[in-house]
Amino acid sequence: TQLLEQSPQFLSIQEGENLTVYCNSSSVFSSLQWYRQEPGEGPVLLVTVVTGGEVKKLKRLTFQFGDARKDSSLHITAAQPGDTGLYLCAGAKSGGSNYKLTFGKGTLLTVNP
Amino acid sequence: KAGVTQTPRYLIKTRGQQVTLSCSPISGHRSVSWYQQTPGQGLQFLFEYFSETQRNKGNFPGRFSGRQFSNSRSEMNVSTLELGDSALYLCASSLGDRGPYNEQFFGPGTRLTVL
Repeated sequence: TQLLEQSPQFLSIQEGENLTVYCNSSSVFSSLQWYRQEPGEGPVLLVTVVTGGEVKKLKRLTFQFGDARKDSSLHITAAQPGDTGLYLCAGAKSGGSNYKLTFGKGTLLTVNP
Repeated sequence: KAGVTQTPRYLIKTRGQQVTLSCSPISGHRSVSWYQQTPGQGLQFLFEYFSETQRNKGNFPGRFSGRQFSNSRSEMNVSTLELGDSALYLCASSLGDRGPYNEQFFGPGTRLTVL
């Protein structure tokens, strides 16, 4: 059973459209991170959200952490071809003195020009 | 600051062989984590090393092992390779002591193909 479920799994849209991807779990996380991975590269961190209900904006990207800290969403406004990539969410759970990160399977986004 | 480097980038092995992958973290980072990424299972956590000690471990068989050296460089070893071990192996380094704010910096990965 996947601890973090991401939806949709695949998304293909036209340049200029808006989109939202979701990251859901039945578990509570201390923090949730979003990464973007491009072909041939490792994931790159976009944002970390820690507080329930927290909203963070990164240019055209808006990230929200659910009130109960079990889910998160990523909204992209006016998508551009450069936004194409695999978007991964990762939840951190405390394991004593350190935190363990668990990744969702990702949403593969393609933005067509 | 140089990023995380992984060697080799590509590797082809046959079933039953063993393989060692190497990861050099960002200077000053004491934590190195290893992940296996496949299309079907996504990114799965293998283990984390912090200051030469294994701090966290995922649910992989004992054929997967690792170690970390005093300069924080890390190696991962897979013995008795199986076809299902074909994957992209990613290494990530971090400061390791920032709790839930710990940011992981990933290398480009090693693409392992087992024939």
